[in-house]
Order: sequence, then C-alpha cells, then structure tokens
Amino acid sequence: EADIYQTPRYLVIGTGKKITLECSQTMGHDKMYWYQQDPGMELHLIHYSYGVNSTEKGDLSSESTVSRIRTEHFPLTLESARPSHTSQYLCASSELGGTKTQYFGPGTRLLVL
Amino acid sequence: ELKVEQNPLFLSMQEGKNYTIYCNYSTTSDRLYWYRQDPGKSLESLFVLLSNGAVKQEGRLMASLDTKARLSTLHITAAVHDLSATYFCAVDVSGTYKYIFGTGTRLKVLA
Repeated sequence: EADIYQTPRYLVIGTGKKITLECSQTMGHDKMYWYQQDPGMELHLIHYSYGVNSTEKGDLSSESTVSRIRTEHFPLTLESARPSHTSQYLCASSELGGTKTQYFGPGTRLLVL
Repeated sequence: ELKVEQNPLFLSMQEGKNYTIYCNYSTTSDRLYWYRQDPGKSLESLFVLLSNGAVKQEGRLMASLDTKARLSTLHITAAVHDLSATYFCAVDVSGTYKYIFGTGTRLKVLA
C-alpha cells in the first residue's frame, strides 16, 4: 500500500486568491508528479520532479509553480486562482528504477468561484 | 505526437459477459500500466507490464502487452457489477521521466 497524502482534500476559494496544494509521500520516491483531471477524464501533467531541487513543466504549467526542497514534499501553488482552475488535482510518486509504477494520492478537489 | 488511445471510451455490458479494452500507444515505451479509478476517487494501480508478451492476471482481469504492435489489452472475464469503474492505461516514455495516460474507458456493468 502506497503512502502518499494530499491536503486539503476539498477547497472552495474565490477568484484571485493564492493557494498551495500539499503533497507528501513516505516511500522515499525520487519522482513526484502533479496532474489535473476533470471527473472521469484524462489526466494532464502539470509539473514533475525527479529529485530534490529538480522541477520540470508539463503541459499545463503556465499558471502554477512547484518546489522540491525535500524528497517527501512536493507542493503546488496557484498564484491567482481562476474558475478555469476548478478541477481535481492528483499527486503521484514513483521510484527511479524498478517497475516505476506511479502511486497516486487521494486528490484535492478545487472549486474556484 | 506522443499519444495513448483507448477504445472503447464507454462500455456498458451485462454481468457474466466477456469484453476487451484496447490501448494503443505511439511512443517507444519500456512499460505499460493499467489503473482503475472509481467515481470521485483517485487512481489505483492494477498491472504493470514490463516486456513484450507479458501477461498479468488478477481475478477477472487479465492484461497483456505486444510491444511490436504497441498494443495492450485488458480482458474482462464474466463481468460483475463491482468492476464498474474507469480504466486507464499509461506508458512510461523512454528517455524521459514522463508518463502519458490514455483517455480512459468508462465501464458500466449492468446487473
């Protein structure tokens, strides 16, 4: 069983607010990922990291930032929330080697009014 | 363009029936993954297929991989209602740290 946690689980916020979504994993995985997913739809990669102090942009990165100061922690920040950011945000982690299976957190459901 | 395509996108089937979900991918990949997602939930890992000809089975689900055809299948045997979910395949893009996910197949098993 994978140990990856996300907070908050649900968030309702007004337009223009700055928000940070938290993600932590206790498996010592080097790689971590943020995805955006509308209900039942495909996943879109926002950002990823392959180790401490490494971050890379995905397809939807322009309106958000991430940091990777510690192996276990990979927060995602939206500088100015907009209604178009309303979605589910999934954090995942995986090993550099082996099967490289991604393990997903429970997700954060964000509603921007 | 790197793409992972699944079909069908929607599948409604009767309990007890068999069916196959297909996953085609356009990129070179070392690994192929299948995930399950229940409504309102996150993704749960089902299978990882590591080589050509790999076959994995768990209960009523069996996954296989043909790397030459760039095709994976998820076969459902004697479907039950509890299998109702959305199933995603994903590939690990060789030479990168990225994964590409398919569009998902929404399965509904009718009693």
